[in-house]
Amino acid sequence: GAVVSQHPSRVICKSGTSVKIECRSLDFQATTMFWYRQFPKQSLMLMATSNEGSKATYEQGVEKDKFLINHASLTLSTLTVTSAHPEDSSFYICSAPQGDIEKLFFGSGTQLSVL
Amino acid sequence: EDQVTQSPEALRLQEGESSSLNCSYTVSGLRGLFWYRQDPGKGPEFLFTLYSAGEEKEKERLKATLTKKESFLHITAPKPEDSATYLCAAYSSASKIIFGSGTRLSIRP
Repeated sequence: GAVVSQHPSRVICKSGTSVKIECRSLDFQATTMFWYRQFPKQSLMLMATSNEGSKATYEQGVEKDKFLINHASLTLSTLTVTSAHPEDSSFYICSAPQGDIEKLFFGSGTQLSVL
Repeated sequence: EDQVTQSPEALRLQEGESSSLNCSYTVSGLRGLFWYRQDPGKGPEFLFTLYSAGEEKEKERLKATLTKKESFLHITAPKPEDSATYLCAAYSSASKIIFGSGTRLSIRP
C-alpha cells in the first residue's frame, strides 16, 4: 500500500527553539496533505491543510505564525513549530490522500517534547 | 455541528471473545466513514472506507458495517495482536474529516 514517511519520530528541544517536521509521500503524489495534533488518549485534531504551491489552510484557533507549513513539492510538506514552548509538546501526525480523500494514509507521527 | 462519538472508550476481551465497537456520527452530507487502527506512538493504519448505509466490508477478523446513524466494527475471535486503538472518522460534504476519540481494545491471551 501507499506509504507516508514522517521524520523525525521523536524530538526533544529547549523552550524557544524551532522544530521542523517533514512529511513525504513515498510512492504517490499528493497535492494536499493534512497535519494533526494528538494528545494522549484523545482523538486527532486537524491543525491545517497543506496545499502544494499555495498557502496552507489553518483550522480555527491554530496560530499561523506559530505553526508554519510549507508544501514545496508534490511529495513533501513540512511543519515548523516556531519558538516552541512546553505547551506545544504533543504528538504530531501528517497524512496524505492517494488520489481521492477516501484513501488517506498517515505518517508514523512525531512526538515533540519541549523542555 | 458535525460530531463523531465512539463507544466504549476502552474494551478488554479474552482471546476468542467476539464483540463490536460503535461509532455514532452526526455529519452533514456523509461522503465516507473510515476505520483506522492505531498502535501506541504510531500513526493510524487504514482499515476500511464505507460509503452508504447497508454496506459491509471485511478484513481477516474485522468486519465494518454502516447505517444512516452509526457504524460498527465487529471483531470475531480476536487475538492479542488485535490489541490497539480503533478510530473512526467521518468525511463530510464540507470536505472535513472528523475523528472520534477512539476505542482502546485490549485482548488478553
